[in-house]
Amino acid sequence: AQSVTQLDSHVSVSEGTPVLLRCNYSSSYSPSLFWYVQHPNKGLQLLLKYTSAATLVKGINGFEAEFKKSETSFHLTKPSAHMSDAAEYFCVVSDNTGFQKLVFGTGTRLLVSP
Amino acid sequence: GAGVSQSPSNKVTEKGKDVELRCDPISGHTALYWYRQSLGQGLEFLIYFQGNSAPDKSGLPSDRFSAERTGGSVSTLTIQRTQQEDSAVYLCASSLEGRAGGYTFGSGTRLTVV
Repeated sequence: AQSVTQLDSHVSVSEGTPVLLRCNYSSSYSPSLFWYVQHPNKGLQLLLKYTSAATLVKGINGFEAEFKKSETSFHLTKPSAHMSDAAEYFCVVSDNTGFQKLVFGTGTRLLVSP
Repeated sequence: GAGVSQSPSNKVTEKGKDVELRCDPISGHTALYWYRQSLGQGLEFLIYFQGNSAPDKSGLPSDRFSAERTGGSVSTLTIQRTQQEDSAVYLCASSLEGRAGGYTFGSGTRLTVV
């Protein structure tokens, strides 16, 4: 069975400083991995996805994530935080069998201060 | 439509009443999913529909929960005899042929049972 662990429930950064949101996964199969963002009162939006191609994945709004099989990690990073990045971020794993059910982590709330 | 539409956006109901939540997926998307997001939790899978196949109901928490999808399009999630622990945001997503990377989520229905 697949699972993800998001290591921080809250992360606080100042505007213009780097962002690191940590995620470790567990999967019996070769997984697909995703990061979703949820702004207040908005739907979930896909930031980026890893599906066994390049291990460094670039997404929208300057975010990227690196798949490290040896560390079973898929951390999300951004070089410089913007106020609009404040939101809830979910790390998600899916196996590549069956109907590819998404399994969500518990989320990391990113707070960005001026 | 352009996105996944869910209605109502908010629902307050009395304990013991039945509720129906509606999801209009993206036109042409054959796969439809319901997830539940409780306060402070990640998303919890409820049920999956794919084309004319029998739905995967493995995530439904009790027999008070049921869902149907008419004509391969609109879906209704029904909760009978609601309980306070049913309070959550119910999210619907659709994708083309069940591809995990192609999920589009609706904005959800916030259900409050009082």
